[in-house]
Amino acid sequence: QKEVEQDPGPLSVPEGAIVSLNCTYSNSAFQYFMWYRQYSRKGPELLMYTYSSGNKEDGRFTAQVDKSSKYISLFIRDSQPSDSATYLCAMSAGTGGFKTIFGAGTRLFVKA
Amino acid sequence: EAGVAQSPRYKIIEKRQSVAFWCNPISGHATLYWYQQILGQGPKLLIQFQNNGVVDDSQLPKDRFSAERLKGVDSTLKIQPAKLEDSAVYLCASSLGNLGGHEQFFGPGTRLTVL
Repeated sequence: QKEVEQDPGPLSVPEGAIVSLNCTYSNSAFQYFMWYRQYSRKGPELLMYTYSSGNKEDGRFTAQVDKSSKYISLFIRDSQPSDSATYLCAMSAGTGGFKTIFGAGTRLFVKA
Repeated sequence: EAGVAQSPRYKIIEKRQSVAFWCNPISGHATLYWYQQILGQGPKLLIQFQNNGVVDDSQLPKDRFSAERLKGVDSTLKIQPAKLEDSAVYLCASSLGNLGGHEQFFGPGTRLTVL
């Protein structure tokens, strides 16, 4: 079993839709939960991170962490064609020398 | 602020040849990471440096891969000899310090094709 599971998609939605991206994990020691966006032939770019459980909002993006279910989500409101990319979830048990484990990424296509 | 620089962007080699990748992190970032991203997968950490010391190299295939960060700034990752399964994108990332692992900044990557 992989430490972090993420549906690779692809996920195709119309412009303006609400997008829900999810990851599950098995390691209860994970404390930091990150979402990265990766455009084709580019490096990943950090969107946001959450420490422990709860929600975090940044503009059209909301990250949720449910540690009891070992489940994290990223919601994108009013999706735009420019949101078309691969979204990677990532997790680590801490920040001092702890390895970051990435999911496989979900490919998102937002159609105009 | 300049981002993480990597070169070359693309490299094609024959199996059993050697190859080297270069990375220059964001100025002031003490921690540098090398990741391998195989098509359709997420990045996998190969090695993490804190200044010029190795923090984690547990997933680095040491029989063929080596990396150094001699002056605590830029870094080189080498593969010798290359195998077909080494075909991947090699990503370099940096963070402000060892406690900034949740905020990593990535370079554009080097796309390696081994024939």
